[in-house]
Amino acid sequence: KNEVEQSPQNLTAQEGEFITINCSYSVGISALHWLQQHPGGGIVSLFMLSSGKKKHGRLIATINIQEKHSSLHITASHPRDSAVYICAPHSEAAGNKLTFGGGTRVLVKP
Amino acid sequence: DTGVSQDPRHKITKRGQNVTFRCDPISEHNRLYWYRQTLGQGPEFLTYFQNEAQLEKSRLLSDRFSAERPKGSFSTLEIQRTEQGDSAMYLCASSLAGFKLFFGSGTQLSVL
Repeated sequence: KNEVEQSPQNLTAQEGEFITINCSYSVGISALHWLQQHPGGGIVSLFMLSSGKKKHGRLIATINIQEKHSSLHITASHPRDSAVYICAPHSEAAGNKLTFGGGTRVLVKP
Repeated sequence: DTGVSQDPRHKITKRGQNVTFRCDPISEHNRLYWYRQTLGQGPEFLTYFQNEAQLEKSRLLSDRFSAERPKGSFSTLEIQRTEQGDSAMYLCASSLAGFKLFFGSGTQLSVL
């Protein structure tokens, strides 16, 4: 069983739609990162959160530590949001390494 | 540019050769991570440094792989006797403890 599960694996949306990506993890964590990777591009850290909710522009990330679950929401999606989104829990107990989810491939059509 | 830089960007080598990659983290970042990513997959953890100390090494890393971070600044990842299965993107990331990660652009290794 993977320590980090993301759903869905693939997602296609029309421009303007609201998108939600889910991440569940089995280990105790101190924080969780949401990362974005464009095709052929590098990885960019979107959020690091350890509780509650963070918002940056059209992106919102939430986390429930007790339920071991996090979500990334994209409001008013745009074709430039097309990328792979990866959640990566960070566990101090696991020696501070990050464990990556398999990623969610998002395609936003105009 | 004060981001994480990796060198080289691309490396093509023949099977059996040794290769070395370099990562320069953001200065003052005490944590440095190496990951490997193959096409269509998420990054896989290889190893992690806090300052100059290598605190964890993945079971994925055979004894052909070695990483160093002398003086807690730049890091090198060496692969000896490369195999075709080593072909991947090797990613470096750095952070200050408790803060966001910053990734380099990666080194794409192709073993022929």
